[in-house]
Amino acid sequence: AQTVTQSQPEMSVQEAETVTLSCTYDTSESNYYLFWYKQPPSRQMILVIRQEAYKQQNATENRFSVNFQKAAKSFSLKISDSQLGDTAMYFCAFCHPYGGSQGNLIFGKGTKLSVKP
Amino acid sequence: NAGVMQNPRHLVRRRGQEARLRCSPMKGHSHVYWYRQLPEEGLKFMVYLQKENIIDESGMPKERFSAEFPKEGPSILRIQQVVRGDSAAYFCASSPPARAGDYGYTFGSGTRLTVV
Repeated sequence: AQTVTQSQPEMSVQEAETVTLSCTYDTSESNYYLFWYKQPPSRQMILVIRQEAYKQQNATENRFSVNFQKAAKSFSLKISDSQLGDTAMYFCAFCHPYGGSQGNLIFGKGTKLSVKP
Repeated sequence: NAGVMQNPRHLVRRRGQEARLRCSPMKGHSHVYWYRQLPEEGLKFMVYLQKENIIDESGMPKERFSAEFPKEGPSILRIQQVVRGDSAAYFCASSPPARAGDYGYTFGSGTRLTVV
């Protein structure tokens, strides 16, 4: 069974600095998707970034980028120029690419990020 | 283009009552997933539905929980005879009729169920 582990329950960072959130996963599959979701106090789940396992290039979305190490099964999220609005829970998630009964997301327990002024 | 709509946003039920949670997927999305989030936990998969079909309910408790996605109307997650342990946030996500990972999932804002 696939598992996703986030080893940092809480982190904090000063505004404008850079922070990296860790995520490791376990799977025997060779093709899959990885995601980072943000959950602010409003509770809305917001997709931050998505990575396809067969793509070697790390995904980037504005200030958010990932370091995807397939052999190590590691998928860390780097937030540059942190802003107060980045304060939220961040969840790493895994899914098979084929949808259907294998399409459900498997989440880690989350990292609570606080951005301090 | 409205996103995934869930209602109610908050629901309070006494032990033994029934809870009905509703989810309307994004326009054009025919796949619906329900997840439960316990306090201080990530989201856990419960059930995956397409119109008029339950495709995977491997994450659903065997008793008291049921889900449907009728041909017309929203998807419904139903919890009968609620107990305090059912208190959680319940999220619905939808995806297009294609490989879900290609497009990601769009989540609703969740329903927070409190059992008193």
